[in-house]
Amino acid sequence: GENVEQHPSTLSVQEGDSAVIKCTYSDSASNYFPWYKQELGKRPQLIIDIRSNVGEKKDQRIAVTLNKTAKHFSLHITETQPEDSAVYFCAAGISGYSTLTFGKGTMLLVSP
Amino acid sequence: SAVISQKPSRDICQRGTSLTIQCQVDSQVTMMFWYRQQPGQSLTLIATANQGSEATYESGFVIDKFPISRPNLTFSTLTVSNMSPEDSSIYLCSVGWEGEKLFFGSGTQLSVL
Repeated sequence: GENVEQHPSTLSVQEGDSAVIKCTYSDSASNYFPWYKQELGKRPQLIIDIRSNVGEKKDQRIAVTLNKTAKHFSLHITETQPEDSAVYFCAAGISGYSTLTFGKGTMLLVSP
Repeated sequence: SAVISQKPSRDICQRGTSLTIQCQVDSQVTMMFWYRQQPGQSLTLIATANQGSEATYESGFVIDKFPISRPNLTFSTLTVSNMSPEDSSIYLCSVGWEGEKLFFGSGTQLSVL
């Protein structure tokens, strides 16, 4: 089955800095890669996703890049703000099936 | 996206008892799933709730321990049976949307004493 590795497990940055979280996946059949943000005590929220026919996708301060050959994808957050502090999960799946394999999560702390 | 309501939001239970968690969606959805999130951990798929047939369980999860019902396209229940402290987790209902997007309910935080 699919295996998703996520690094780092924790990340501390100063407000205004950029943050990068990286994930690798094992199953070459995976073609859908979403990212979720989970604030303390809240449900995971889908923040951005990318399909394997696209190399990069941006939405305001967040972007995701995908290297299908190397089987890795990354989340980039620019101009971080304290409200970006949360646990971020990457995931991999197959388009049309909605079953995802999640990484172990990255706790991002943005200090004012 | 769909609005997903889950209840109870939290419960404290005695070992050996069972708890049934309900998940209600405000629109008909084909795919419904149940996930477990142990304290400080990632999200693990328990099973896919199939409408009108038995749920499909992932490795390590069995029907006797986690029976699931899916009577229609808007509702599902997950029962955690014969609970032990190791079952203390957050249980999350989720629905598939637009083929692959996954949205989560608010979760049920379960503590077993």
